[in-house]
Amino acid sequence: DIQMTQSPSSLSASVGDRVTITCRASQGIKNYLAWFQQKPGKAPKSLIYATSSLQSGVPSKFSGSGSGTDFTLTISSLQPEDSGTYYCQQYNIYPLTFGGGTKVEIK
Amino acid sequence: EVQLVESGGGLVQPGGSLRLSCVVSGFTFSDHYMDWVRQAPGKGLEWVGRTKHRAENYATEYAASVKGRFTVSRDDLKNSLYLQMNSLNSGDTAVYYCTRGFQPDPRQHFYMDVWGKGTTVIVSS
Repeated sequence: DIQMTQSPSSLSASVGDRVTITCRASQGIKNYLAWFQQKPGKAPKSLIYATSSLQSGVPSKFSGSGSGTDFTLTISSLQPEDSGTYYCQQYNIYPLTFGGGTKVEIK
Repeated sequence: EVQLVESGGGLVQPGGSLRLSCVVSGFTFSDHYMDWVRQAPGKGLEWVGRTKHRAENYATEYAASVKGRFTVSRDDLKNSLYLQMNSLNSGDTAVYYCTRGFQPDPRQHFYMDVWGKGTTVIVSS
């Protein structure tokens, strides 16, 4: 199985900060990497697919990059509504696997 | 509006069975792969299984943790996805989400673009 390792597991940042979350796959997954945002008690929401393609309706402050095994999610200017937990997921090979999550808090 | 609504969760004893349903609306169900994803209390997301569409003979894939115990199926005429869960144990306690698989172009894999709100399964005596 492909292991997805996210870092950091949690972070605290101020409004307006640029935030970067990394995700590393245990083997190459081409560009088949997605990012999801989850708020407490709610279902996850798709943010990015195919490494860098923005899901419809998602604000452009979210961006993704990477290739092969190393990927990043960047929030260009953190806002209070961006708090929550972020998950990466590879969908290149079965079983589909998620990272452990990064909890983002606002200082 | 695209909607996925899960139902069928509840309390079940260890060793028991449960069948989850997901009724969808707002899109052509038969064109899409569909997945089940679960989340144990306080834990991360775990993919459970997938059904492909009719063009791929409704082929299924499963996580090792549920293979042989869980069955994913669909009824395109009823716009419904199902998860039959047998031999349940405490490790299956989770919120179960139904998700839509979307293919951005024919050369790309399907990814999960829309999620239901989830249904809760508790396995306990």
